[in-house]
Amino acid sequence: ILNVEQSPQSLHVQEGDSTNFTCSFPSSNFYALHWYRWETAKSPEALFVMTLNGDEKKKGRISATLNTKEGYSYLYIKGSQPEDSATYLCAFIQGAQKLVFGQGTRLTINP
Amino acid sequence: KAGVTQTPRYLIKTRGQQVTLSCSPISGHRSVSWYQQTPGQGLQFLFEYFSETQRNKGNFPGRFSGRQFSNSRSEMNVSTLELGDSALYLCASSLRGDDEKLFFGSGTQLSVL
Repeated sequence: ILNVEQSPQSLHVQEGDSTNFTCSFPSSNFYALHWYRWETAKSPEALFVMTLNGDEKKKGRISATLNTKEGYSYLYIKGSQPEDSATYLCAFIQGAQKLVFGQGTRLTINP
Repeated sequence: KAGVTQTPRYLIKTRGQQVTLSCSPISGHRSVSWYQQTPGQGLQFLFEYFSETQRNKGNFPGRFSGRQFSNSRSEMNVSTLELGDSALYLCASSLRGDDEKLFFGSGTQLSVL
């Protein structure tokens, strides 16, 4: 059974501060790692799909890194804004298996 | 370009009944996957269809089934509903599958009484 762990479970950050959180996954037979942002009352929205060790992806103020050998990915948000408040989900695929989601990190930006 | 459309948005059923949920993917997307979201459980993978064939299946009982039509639209069926089936059911589509970003629908909120 695959286990995808996200930490912390929740996070409160002041507007303007930068923050980061972690997604841990099994390091064997890696296939892909996804990041999604899920705002309340909306659908999950894809941020990144990462497939190569050392991958770094960036979208505006949000960036992500990937270390497949040690089994973790970091998501960074620079200069947090209220619209960044959401649950951030990572999802992992091992071999030809299904996508397994973590429980998410709930981020709240305090104005 | 229209997004992923799920119908209905809300559904109330009673135990023992069966239910069918529908998902229309983004035009041109051939992969449709289904997920169950319950409080405390996170998103759980149900199954994935590609070109009318079930390509992968999650750890759910046989009461959960699905199918995909030639136009890539997909349906999910749950028979003999149980209280624990109350959840948000999301479908997602992509061109080919898991190494690509998934585009999610708004979900169907199912309540079983």
